[in-house]
Amino acid sequence: SQQGEEDPQALSIQEGENATMNCSYKTSINNLQWYRQNSGRGLVHLILIRSNEREKHSGRLRVTLDTSKKSSSLLITASRAADTASYFCATRGSGGSNYKLTFGKGTLLTVNP
Amino acid sequence: SAVISQKPSRDICQRGTSLTIQCQVDSQVTMMFWYRQQPGQSLTLIATANQGSEATYESGFVIDKFPISRPNLTFSTLTVSNMSPEDSSIYLCSVLDTKNTEAFFGQGTRLTVV
Repeated sequence: SQQGEEDPQALSIQEGENATMNCSYKTSINNLQWYRQNSGRGLVHLILIRSNEREKHSGRLRVTLDTSKKSSSLLITASRAADTASYFCATRGSGGSNYKLTFGKGTLLTVNP
Repeated sequence: SAVISQKPSRDICQRGTSLTIQCQVDSQVTMMFWYRQQPGQSLTLIATANQGSEATYESGFVIDKFPISRPNLTFSTLTVSNMSPEDSSIYLCSVLDTKNTEAFFGQGTRLTVV
């Protein structure tokens, strides 16, 4: 079954507002990553958080990880219309030779000008 | 980082035919990954392609339906065989960075089977 489950499935906000997306997963992980996809094109890596980290920042992005709850959140602050896209979490399982990423269902974010 | 050139970007195909998708990477990589993204859905891994060996397929995907070639460390192809409308999806190739953490993706192939 799918490792990551995002919620909400869709989120619509006004420009300037913050957007929060959540992701839950089921098994132990090495790291959790967030990706962005514009209009069914290729995915772009946004940020990675390791299993021993709790919070990470990159520009307007803030990611948290709670391994006890097997969940993560992605916060985009001061959103822009250009942030409109689908956002996916992806987990890499623990185990040295496990390089596969398992993707969640994604959140479709619409930022209205 | 890695730059991946994937083609075709889109195609409309007749059922029963086959389509081969190509991915060219600008650097040598050990593993290449092929994903399928059905309409409105997330990415599902089809197989992992290693140079010099047969691809490793995930549960629900078989070589006869999705044959993969990996002739060298910078190139791979995925063929979608004997297509049906259920194969209409976006197909994406991907590689990992040198630390095998961050993934880079091609721009995807949007396939419509009619």
